[in-house]
Formats: sequence, C-alpha cells, structure tokens
Amino acid sequence: DADVTQTPRNRITKTGKRIMLECSQTKGHDRMYWYRQDPGLGLRLIYYSFDVKDINKGEISDGYSVSRQAQAKFSLSLESAIPNQTALYFCATSDSYGSTGEQYFGPGTRLTVT
Amino acid sequence: RKEVEQDPGPFNVPEGATVAFNCTYSNSASQSFFWYRQDCRKEPKLLMSVYSSGNEDGRFTAQLNRASQYISLLIRDSKLSDSATYLCVVRVSNYQLIWGAGTKLIIKP
Repeated sequence: DADVTQTPRNRITKTGKRIMLECSQTKGHDRMYWYRQDPGLGLRLIYYSFDVKDINKGEISDGYSVSRQAQAKFSLSLESAIPNQTALYFCATSDSYGSTGEQYFGPGTRLTVT
Repeated sequence: RKEVEQDPGPFNVPEGATVAFNCTYSNSASQSFFWYRQDCRKEPKLLMSVYSSGNEDGRFTAQLNRASQYISLLIRDSKLSDSATYLCVVRVSNYQLIWGAGTKLIIKP
C-alpha cells in the first residue's frame, strides 16, 4: 500500500463550488505539506503543518484553507473554486528532521475548475 | 527572475549517451540542494542530495558550486528508464523547498 494517499485522484468541478482534497499518510511523519504544480512552473507551497496544532501559510495560500485532523491526515479546501485553481495538487510528508529535504509525495489530485 | 532556473528541454538523447542538466539558484542563503525525478503524471521522488564536494550514485553525479550558485546533474550511460523530468530543488529554510520547473529528458533507443 502507498505510504501517502490522496483522494480524489481526479476531480472536475464548477466555478464557485467548495471542494476538499484529502491526504493520509502511514509514514508516521509529523510534517505535512500541500503543493500545486502548474505547467512550466515549479511546485509551489500552499500550506504546511509541523504537527496537529501547527499550521502555516505557504507561498500561495490565498483561496485555500487546510485542516490537520490528525497526525496522519491533512486536507486542503477550496472554499469557492475558480478556474485558475486548475492544477495538479500534491500532498507531501517529511519527518521532523526535514532538513534533509526529502519529502514523500502522494500520487496527486488533478483538479479542473470549469 | 525565477528563484530556481532550469532549461525546460526536452533533451532528446540516444540510449547510452551522457547527459548533463544545469540549474541556477538566486538565494545565496540556500542551505541544501537536491535533484528529484518526476515521471509523467506521477509524483516527484528524491533522486539524490547534492553536497559541496560533489557526490556520485551509480551512473548519476551531482555537483554544487556555491560561489556561482549553480548545481548540475550528470547521467552517464543513459537508459530508456531514465526518461523523466528532473527537478532541481533548493532548501531555503527549515520548511521551505524552492522547486525548479524541471528539465524533461527523453532517451531514445
């Protein structure tokens, strides 16, 4: 079984709809991250969490919110989806010694907002 | 200027050839450096860290030049399975990685 899972894998939604992307991990890591990937751009950090009570905005948090329900679960919400939020979304984890730079990624959620 | 810049490619290379990727970064306070590999429609995976003295892992060699803010990855004796996008990644804080957009590599038989 995959260590980091994301649901759904693909989603098409309409402008203005609320949508939640979910991430679960079995790696036992404290740190979790949400990124988006757009063609021609590097991954960009949306939110990150060092533990259940520590949630922080990343580079591009506007229009997004997150919830860390447990150490193993970190969900990303788009309160009112807009077309420029169409992207590939990745959840990632790292251990507390994340200074190694090694992050473990889920398979991604391909989101299309029409 | 992007914080981490890579040639987008694609690099079309015959099997068995040597291929080199270059990457430059703008933040002189960057702490550590990595190459990730991303297969088409898949998640990124760590390929190797990059150390100041240079390091090698099988057919892969990574080099770092802090003075020039330049990172490289060399792949020798390329295989069809090396076809992927190679992402240059720089750590700038205890939580933040800055990602290049990647260089696509296509190995042809």
